[in-house]
Amino acid sequence: DAGVIQSPRHEVTEMGQEVTLRCKPISGHNSLFWYRQTMMRGLELLIYFNNNVPIDDSGMPEDRFSAKMPNASFSTLKIQPSEPRDSAVYFCASSLWTGELFFGEGSRLTVL
Amino acid sequence: RKEVEQDPGPFNVPEGATVAFNCTYSNSASQSFFWYRQDCRKEPKLLMSVYSSGNEDGRFTAQLNRASQYISLLIRDSKLSDSATYLCVPSGFQKLVFGTGTRLLVSP
Repeated sequence: DAGVIQSPRHEVTEMGQEVTLRCKPISGHNSLFWYRQTMMRGLELLIYFNNNVPIDDSGMPEDRFSAKMPNASFSTLKIQPSEPRDSAVYFCASSLWTGELFFGEGSRLTVL
Repeated sequence: RKEVEQDPGPFNVPEGATVAFNCTYSNSASQSFFWYRQDCRKEPKLLMSVYSSGNEDGRFTAQLNRASQYISLLIRDSKLSDSATYLCVPSGFQKLVFGTGTRLLVSP
């Protein structure tokens, strides 16, 4: 069975550029989470969706960040404009109501 | 108080040792709890789920203390392959907030 699929796996971009990260959750899962991980702050919850509806986006750092889930099989996290402090590994995870998360391999973002 | 607190470690133990980590949480409404394992530069993976007072799976035991609001993870007979970061997640109405994790290093 396919797990959570994220793309790109690695991205290097320059400050000010737009970055779009993509996620395909496990088929049948109804919750999707976006996390950001850095050495300093650990694994931070940015936003999560239930049945494609954003439930809590209080973790989104600022207006430069936005996330969408247009259907049950796809979600995007966009950063516009990007800044060096956005450099991190971004994880997408999906789950059923049980709360057991299945993570993608992550997207490693470097903003120069 | 942070939602979830863990000692970042690292805990350095020899092979065969028993080691325990604690995780404290602030949301008394949390009903379920999870321990995840994360290897270096990899994604977190579920290690154990706890829905009542505790759970045991081989060398791993998780215990929940609701009165004091902490959950512990005990690893017996540590293996080199247990070296990883262990993340605690209390589940509060589906908002899954992770602790910073506890790093374990098992040496020969």
